[in-house]
Amino acid sequence: AQKVTQAQTEISVVEKEDVTLDCVYETRDTTYYLFWYKQPPSGELVFLIRRNSFDEQNEISGRYSWNFQKSTSSFNFTITASQVVDSAVYFCALSTNTGNQFYFGTGTSLTVIP
Amino acid sequence: KAGVTQTPRYLIKTRGQQVTLSCSPISGHRSVSWYQQTPGQGLQFLFEYFSETQRNKGNFPGRFSGRQFSNSRSEMNVSTLELGDSALYLCASSLEGAVTYEQYFGPGTRLTVT
Repeated sequence: AQKVTQAQTEISVVEKEDVTLDCVYETRDTTYYLFWYKQPPSGELVFLIRRNSFDEQNEISGRYSWNFQKSTSSFNFTITASQVVDSAVYFCALSTNTGNQFYFGTGTSLTVIP
Repeated sequence: KAGVTQTPRYLIKTRGQQVTLSCSPISGHRSVSWYQQTPGQGLQFLFEYFSETQRNKGNFPGRFSGRQFSNSRSEMNVSTLELGDSALYLCASSLEGAVTYEQYFGPGTRLTVT
């Protein structure tokens, strides 16, 4: 069975603080894909990153960075020097060729306080 | 490039009625997926269409159905509406398939069943 767990339901940080959003996944497939999406208050989900299971290289994009560790089945997302505009719900998702589905975590609501 | 569009944006229906939602994908995208988002269940995958064929399906009753046209536009239909069908319905398009490619989401249709 495939599953994505985002244990942090809500996080509040003060502007300019760093924050890490956790994502733990479960799958028996050897080929799978992990994603992060952002859902701002406007409601439209925005794609942030895709990573396949064979690429464990961490990635940095501006203030965003992702840490993929197969050993712990985690794909964590860090925002450095958070800004008010980062306030949103962030979803981690998993897909596999076997499952032929897309599985979202329950999301982490991030509030950045000015 | 125009994004994913969904119509209508808001809809109020009565229990027992049926409803049809429409989604126009990004030009050139052949895959369209539908999701249901509720506060209690989060984001759940309904189904994916690719080249006018349903390729993947989530765990929803047969009251939920869809189709895709030759221009990749897709419709989702819910028959015999129940109160629990009240949700935000999101459509997403991707180049080749929801499983391996990033998806681009529309703004959603907010369905309220009374």
